[in-house]
Amino acid sequence: DAGVTQSPTHLIKTRGQQVTLRCSPKSGHDTVSWYQQALGQGPQFIFQYYEEEERQRGNFPDRFSGHQFPNYSSELNVNALLLGDSALYLCASSSGRWETQYFGPGTRLLVL
Amino acid sequence: GENVEQHPSTLSVQEGDSAVIKCTYSDSASNYFPWYKQELGKRPQLIIDIRSNVGEKKDQRIAVTLNKTAKHFSLHITETQPEDSAVYFCAAGLEGRRALTFGSGTRLQVQP
Repeated sequence: DAGVTQSPTHLIKTRGQQVTLRCSPKSGHDTVSWYQQALGQGPQFIFQYYEEEERQRGNFPDRFSGHQFPNYSSELNVNALLLGDSALYLCASSSGRWETQYFGPGTRLLVL
Repeated sequence: GENVEQHPSTLSVQEGDSAVIKCTYSDSASNYFPWYKQELGKRPQLIIDIRSNVGEKKDQRIAVTLNKTAKHFSLHITETQPEDSAVYFCAAGLEGRRALTFGSGTRLQVQP
C-alpha cells in the first residue's frame, strides 16, 4: 500500500519563475491538502482539494494555485516566485470526515 | 483564525526521563488535536491524536491530555529513548474544515 508521494524532491528556481509540484495521495484517500513549511517553523496550510475543487484556502496569495485530478492526485502551482517562497512544500492526504492527515516527504524549493 | 502556541521550543532530557510539551489554542470551536514527529529531513509523522470528546489518550509511552476549558493540550513521553529525538509539532483543527493549524515545534533531544 503506497503512502503519499511527492515529486520532485528538490527544486531550484530563480525569482519570477513559475513552479509546479505534484502529489499522489495514499491509496484510498480522496482529499489532498498542501502546506508550506519554512525552515524552523511548523507547516502552514495553503489549500485543500476534494472532488477536484478547492474546498478551503489559507492565507496565501493568488500566486499559489492548485488542481486535483480525477485520480485524486494534485498539483501545486506557484507563479512569480519570490525569495520568501523558499520552503519545504508538504502534501497531506486524508479520507472521510475526520480521518488522519498523512504527509508526503515534501518538495524542497529553493528560490535564488 | 486559529492560533496555536507551543512551548518549550527546545527540550533536553536524559534517557529514561519524561518529556512534556504543551500547546494552547485560541479557537474554542477546535475539536481535533494531532501531534506529529518530524525527524531531520523527513516528513511529519502522526504519533497520536485526540478529539474533544475525550480528555486523555495513551499509546504505550506516549499520552496526550486535553483541557477544553483552558484550551490547552499536552504531549507526555515517558521513558524517553535516543530515537525519540526529533521536532514535535502540535496542531489544532475543526471537524468538517480539515485545515490544521500547527504550533511552531519543539526540538526534543534525548541524551544517552
